[in-house]
Amino acid sequence: SQTIHQWPATLVQPVGSPLSLECTVEGTSNPNLYWYRQAAGRGLQLLFYSVGIGQISSEVPQNLSASRPQDRQFILSSKKLLLSDSGFYLCAWRGTAPNSGNTIYFGEGSWLTVV
Amino acid sequence: AQTVTQSQPEMSVQEAETVTLSCTYDTSENNYYLFWYKQPPSRQMILVIRQEAYKQQNATENRFSVNFQKAAKSFSLKISDSQLGDTAMYFCAFMSSNTGKLIFGQGTTLQVKP
Repeated sequence: SQTIHQWPATLVQPVGSPLSLECTVEGTSNPNLYWYRQAAGRGLQLLFYSVGIGQISSEVPQNLSASRPQDRQFILSSKKLLLSDSGFYLCAWRGTAPNSGNTIYFGEGSWLTVV
Repeated sequence: AQTVTQSQPEMSVQEAETVTLSCTYDTSENNYYLFWYKQPPSRQMILVIRQEAYKQQNATENRFSVNFQKAAKSFSLKISDSQLGDTAMYFCAFMSSNTGKLIFGQGTTLQVKP
């Protein structure tokens, strides 16, 4: 069965420090991968999505970047965090194999507090 | 660009009663998928129900059902026999068949009262 792992679960970082959130998917190949941010308990904002290794689409210009160094690995990064980067970050995946169901599944999320 | 709108920020329902959450969307595409996700206090995103746009029949999953009106671009969620465990934030979402992008509404906080 497919599983998704996201870490770290909680992170407190000072302003100006770097960030790295990692997400891996198991049990599937060539998934579509997504990073979302949820601020203040409201809607999910799509940040990045990827259809393959090295193929990243950025949805919102901001202080963050994403990379996909391996087929089932998706990393969210920042060189210098801002206070406004605080929030709940969710990684998600979608299977692309035939009969995969076209459903997007989410990781457990990462709480980022920038202080 | 696609948009998803949930016009009810908060709703409440008595246990065992029925509640309907509203959702409208905007798209020029003909092939797409619609979803309702539930987010309890744990923050885990849980798929509640899914609807393929090419299917006229409304999707049903146990106590959860949808009213999909493609021409009106409306996708409401009905929860029957509400349970305390249904208390959560509910998100309506649209996914393009072309791009695979999943776009969410702003969410509706549902409280089930005993």
